[in-house]
Amino acid sequence: DQQVKQNSPSLSVQEGRISILNCDYTNSMFDYFLWYKKYPAEGPTFLISISSIKDKNEDGRFTVFLNKSAKHLSLHIVPSQPGDSAVYFCAATLSGQNFVFGPGTRLSVLP
Amino acid sequence: EPEVTQTPSHQVTQMGQEVILRCVPISNHLYFYWYRQILGQKVEFLVSFYNNEISEKSEIFDDQFSVERPDGSNFTLKIRSTKLEDSAMYFCASSGTGLRQPQHFGDGTRLSIL
Repeated sequence: DQQVKQNSPSLSVQEGRISILNCDYTNSMFDYFLWYKKYPAEGPTFLISISSIKDKNEDGRFTVFLNKSAKHLSLHIVPSQPGDSAVYFCAATLSGQNFVFGPGTRLSVLP
Repeated sequence: EPEVTQTPSHQVTQMGQEVILRCVPISNHLYFYWYRQILGQKVEFLVSFYNNEISEKSEIFDDQFSVERPDGSNFTLKIRSTKLEDSAMYFCASSGTGLRQPQHFGDGTRLSIL
């Protein structure tokens, strides 16, 4: 039961360009969404979140967009930097505690 | 910046043995969590803990699993009789004073069952 999907297992982007990571979900009751970044041998690191009452949240180079009707969210990273190379997970919750994670997208930012 | 710490980083255990994974959450956080990630698979929620009791658990968290906050700082996950399929990366996380807040993760304990 894949409630949270990230259909692109990997993405390569040139340094300085925009990275767009996508996430789809099936449960319309989810009301809070997050993006995490994960380096090898480390735990997930929180990047940015968005509540279902909003459609956009911005924090520095990171912007998350939420399209509730399409059950879709995306993470934009502008400009992309080599240090952004990592696995990115989106996660969603309806209870506020149990976060359902997507399978992740591996981003490679090429110098 | 405060962080969640987990020990040990790698635990090797014989099948059928008990194992305890330890975590020190961020000190002013009130919600505590365990997740696991089997190699090549998704991060999966196991359990959340608040006010000294389990507040939510997944179907993975069966009678073989238990959690405890034995003192003011540690948060532990116990697996009573380990199985081969328990081999995974186990992540502890904590969050602040309410629901729908970002969870801060430790770097995980790699559990290998032989």
